[in-house]
Amino acid sequence: DGGITQSPKYLFRKEGQNVTLSCEQNLNHDAMYWYRQDPGQGLRLIYYSQIVNDFQKGDIAEGYSVSREKKESFPLTVTSAQKNPTAFYLCASRDRATAYNSPLHFGNGTRLTVT
Amino acid sequence: AQSVAQPEDQVNVAEGNPLTVKCTYSVSGNPYLFWYVQYPNRGLQFLLKYITGDNLVKGSYGFEAEFNKSQTSFHLKKPSALVSDSALYFCAVNSVSSASKIIFGSGTRLSIRP
Repeated sequence: DGGITQSPKYLFRKEGQNVTLSCEQNLNHDAMYWYRQDPGQGLRLIYYSQIVNDFQKGDIAEGYSVSREKKESFPLTVTSAQKNPTAFYLCASRDRATAYNSPLHFGNGTRLTVT
Repeated sequence: AQSVAQPEDQVNVAEGNPLTVKCTYSVSGNPYLFWYVQYPNRGLQFLLKYITGDNLVKGSYGFEAEFNKSQTSFHLKKPSALVSDSALYFCAVNSVSSASKIIFGSGTRLSIRP
């Protein structure tokens, strides 16, 4: 079955540590996205990538970094500079960034807790 | 700037009754509108979309949505609610002017009581 796999499902870290969230897709999609979800705030875009070796900042990129070395992988690093990292993180993809009429496919998320 | 508003944080409906979850949008150019559903600790699942054509679009699980250009709305509806419809619902918009960014509303929690 094609889909998006996020791992791990739950992640616990101490404040001041960097942490990397994994996102892998086997849908052969060019475009991939990272969103952060907080209660009552909907989904906010962190970073997106339209193609391999390319990515752009979203609305809340500060304190985060990404890479896109392979088409199927788009890992997100939450750095110690992110002031409030505890949240639910969602990875998504669609076939092309310019496929405006195409819905996003989502992974099942990683819940990060930083104490 | 593009935006999506879901004015109700929560909607409560009795099973068997019709339901409506409201969404209004603001976008430059033609909108591409989507509804997604999220169950606890899961990702979002696509329900339906409006691209062009008929203002009433049908989607998964018996849901439908009505596009109203003059009111810039895209309300989600279902004629007869099920307890299993209880979940978090998100409206989203995309457009050529927004490039690759898809903007989501803040979500509406739908609660169906038996």
